[in-house]
Amino acid sequence: RKEVEQDPGPFNVPEGATVAFNCTYSNSASQSFFWYRQDCRKEPKLLMSVYSSGNEDGRFTAQLNRASQYISLLIRDSKLSDSATYLCVVPSIYNQGGKLIFGQGTELSVKP
Amino acid sequence: DTGVSQDPRHKITKRGQNVTFRCDPISEHNRLYWYRQTLGQGPEFLTYFQNEAQLEKSRLLSDRFSAERPKGSFSTLEIQRTEQGDSAMYLCASSLGSATDTQYFGPGTRLTVL
Repeated sequence: RKEVEQDPGPFNVPEGATVAFNCTYSNSASQSFFWYRQDCRKEPKLLMSVYSSGNEDGRFTAQLNRASQYISLLIRDSKLSDSATYLCVVPSIYNQGGKLIFGQGTELSVKP
Repeated sequence: DTGVSQDPRHKITKRGQNVTFRCDPISEHNRLYWYRQTLGQGPEFLTYFQNEAQLEKSRLLSDRFSAERPKGSFSTLEIQRTEQGDSAMYLCASSLGSATDTQYFGPGTRLTVL
């Protein structure tokens, strides 16, 4: 089983739609989680951090279910500019180095 | 611009050649990471430095790969005897000083091995 797994998509949604991405992680001891956004041929950029049950920032909501080892990202009222790949990220717990473990990413395309 | 910078942005080379990439982290960031990303995949960890000390290397980092951070500032990643399978985006990231600090990524160096 991969350490971090995501549905690769692509998700094709109309503007204004609500879309949710799921991510599962294998290590039950993981404590913190991140969602990064990556535009085509650009570097990943931090979108949200998730340390407890969830986090909300405007149209974006991240939720954590520790029992199921599952993280989700909800985007409400999708904009064209939300089109990107969304990466679920879990820091490695096996060292103090801060190594990040990335899922393969979920591609989102928002259409007019 | 005070973000992470990488040079070159693109590199095309022939199989068997050596290549070297440079990363300049955000000023005062003690930690520097190298990742590799292939098409359709998320970035994979290669190695990281705390100041000038290289503290962890992934098994992905074969003996053809070497990374340095001689003065605890910029870092170089060298690939010797490149293979077609080395074609990827090489990303550098830096963070302040602890494992929980946010990692900021550079724009990457895209390597194509012909």
